[in-house]
Amino acid sequence: SQTIHQWPATLVQPVGSPLSLECTVEGTSNPNLYWYRQAAGRGLQLLFYSVGIGQISSEVPQNLSASRPQDRQFILSSKKLLLSDSGFYLCAWSVPGTHTEAFFGQGTRLTVV
Amino acid sequence: GENVEQHPSTLSVQEGDSAVIKCTYSDSASNYFPWYKQELGKRPQLIIDIRSNVGEKKDQRIAVTLNKTAKHFSLHITETQPEDSAVYFCAAGSLNTGGFKTIFGAGTRLFVKA
Repeated sequence: SQTIHQWPATLVQPVGSPLSLECTVEGTSNPNLYWYRQAAGRGLQLLFYSVGIGQISSEVPQNLSASRPQDRQFILSSKKLLLSDSGFYLCAWSVPGTHTEAFFGQGTRLTVV
Repeated sequence: GENVEQHPSTLSVQEGDSAVIKCTYSDSASNYFPWYKQELGKRPQLIIDIRSNVGEKKDQRIAVTLNKTAKHFSLHITETQPEDSAVYFCAAGSLNTGGFKTIFGAGTRLFVKA
């Protein structure tokens, strides 16, 4: 069966520090991968999506970036965090080649102080 | 850019009553419309989805309708129960050059009062 792992679960970082959140999927090949951000009491904002290694599409221009160095690995990064980057970050995957259900990781709660 | 509007933001119903959540989308290329339920502190999970070639779909107490012409879709929950209390998200998916993209609405917080 397929599983998705996302870590860390919580993170407190100072303003201006770098960020790296990692997500891996097991049990499937070439999944569609996604990064979403959920601000407190808000909806899910699509940040990045990817259909394959090195193929990243960005939805929101900001100080975040994403990379997919391996087929089932998706990384969200920032060189310098802003206070406004605080939120709940969710990684998700879906079956490749078609539009189907997205399976979410457990999320990372990031607080920038 | 593409946008999904969801209403209401908060909905309170009495147990046994029906709940209706409505969404509109802007991208005419959208062809996949999932609904997710997120309980407090948990990850969103799919409860039902509908594709653009279907106007209505039902699964027990949950039904979704889609009007592609008007770019509207709705979630209907009948005979609500306290365990239906959660945040519900609609979403619209489309295929573009970058891949399969799904845009979510802002969510509806549903309270079912016993």
